[in-house]
Amino acid sequence: DAGVTQSPTHLIKTRGQQVTLRCSPISGHKSVSWYQQVLGQGPQFIFQYYEKEERGRGNFPDRFSARQFPNYSSELNVNALLLGDSALYLCASSLEGSPFRNEQFFGPGTRLTVL
Amino acid sequence: EDQVTQSPEALRLQEGESSSLNCSYTVSGLRGLFWYRQDPGKGPEFLFTLYSAGEEKEKERLKATITKKESFLHITAPKPEDSATYLCAVQARGNEKLTFGTGTRLTIIP
Repeated sequence: DAGVTQSPTHLIKTRGQQVTLRCSPISGHKSVSWYQQVLGQGPQFIFQYYEKEERGRGNFPDRFSARQFPNYSSELNVNALLLGDSALYLCASSLEGSPFRNEQFFGPGTRLTVL
Repeated sequence: EDQVTQSPEALRLQEGESSSLNCSYTVSGLRGLFWYRQDPGKGPEFLFTLYSAGEEKEKERLKATITKKESFLHITAPKPEDSATYLCAVQARGNEKLTFGTGTRLTIIP
């Protein structure tokens, strides 16, 4: 079975632009979470979606938004890019609803560079 | 607020030299504690989930243990291919969010 897939792999944008990142979860997983990982740091939680509804939001500005589609894939949008948005953006999928099947499996990430 | 602190930040070992990585945590009702391995430029790879104090999990040269305040990742007779950053994360009850530490960068010298 395929793991979590993300696209694109790399992206270069300039300040003020907008970007859309895409994620497809593992087959059968209905929950998708997004994380931002700045170089040298651990991943920081941005959003969690389950059954197309937002279930959690981290401490990120309103420039960050996301959505989940009926096939459980997800998009992360970032508007008005800043230099500080340069990071590895990670998508993770999991089985929701089971206390003992809550592992999150990560995709390879999208490396965003803002110039 | 949930917090995770990992130590040391970096660790260099000779091949075959066993050691332990530490993860200290505070969380409002532990749902799970997770260990991941991350290679440079790649996404974290899931290793273990621990649910309660006293639990242990093993996989090849790795063994994870947990108490009410900390978790350890023990590496026995490591090989150069074990070189990576090891991340610890906690998940609180009623929450999908993972709170990560900053990781331990492990280097195994042949």
